[in-house]
Amino acid sequence: GDSVTQMEGPVTLSEEAFLTINCTYTATGYPSLFWYVQYPGEGLQLLLKATKADDKGSNKGFEATYRKETTSFHLEKGSVQVSDSAVYFCALINQAGTALIFGKGTTLSVSS
Amino acid sequence: NAGVTQTPKFQVLKTGQSMTLQCAQDMNHEYMSWYRQDPGMGLRLIHYSVGAGITDQGEVPNGYNVSRSTTEDFPLRLLSAAPSQTSVYFCASSYSSRNTEAFFGQGTRLTVV
Repeated sequence: GDSVTQMEGPVTLSEEAFLTINCTYTATGYPSLFWYVQYPGEGLQLLLKATKADDKGSNKGFEATYRKETTSFHLEKGSVQVSDSAVYFCALINQAGTALIFGKGTTLSVSS
Repeated sequence: NAGVTQTPKFQVLKTGQSMTLQCAQDMNHEYMSWYRQDPGMGLRLIHYSVGAGITDQGEVPNGYNVSRSTTEDFPLRLLSAAPSQTSVYFCASSYSSRNTEAFFGQGTRLTVV
């Protein structure tokens, strides 16, 4: 079945460091891909998405490119801030269109 | 603009008790769903609904019941709580299930003792 694998955390960075969180997926066809972010004590919110191969989603300085050749959707940011500390989830829509399938989440901690 | 509202935010239950977690959205979304979040497991789908009167099971439906009598509301019922149901529960809604942004509530932290 459909699945998402993302790198284990926690990821600890200093402010202004470069961030990469790896995400790969297994799915039938070419599902829409998402990154969601969860700040402490809150629900998830959409960070960015891509709906077809080679699409680049971007928001708040974060970017991810839909790579069908490597079935990947890695999240990147050139210069992280303390306020980026959160849990990041990679996700896809299953083939039936009935569910978001999430990775296990990666905790990012940024220190000043 | 309330979005997705979940109540309660915290709840402690004794084993065997029943309760209902409430979820309401004011965006006229057709699709609603319930997830549970456990450490190291990500979010797993419990039940979902593609519209009023239509519900279906997700990945982990056992021990839970849902109904969808209106577009706005999608309550989750725990029939006989067990310690394994200790978790954080999130309700989500979206315009449709495909390709569109899902909006999440702030979650209900449930502890079963």
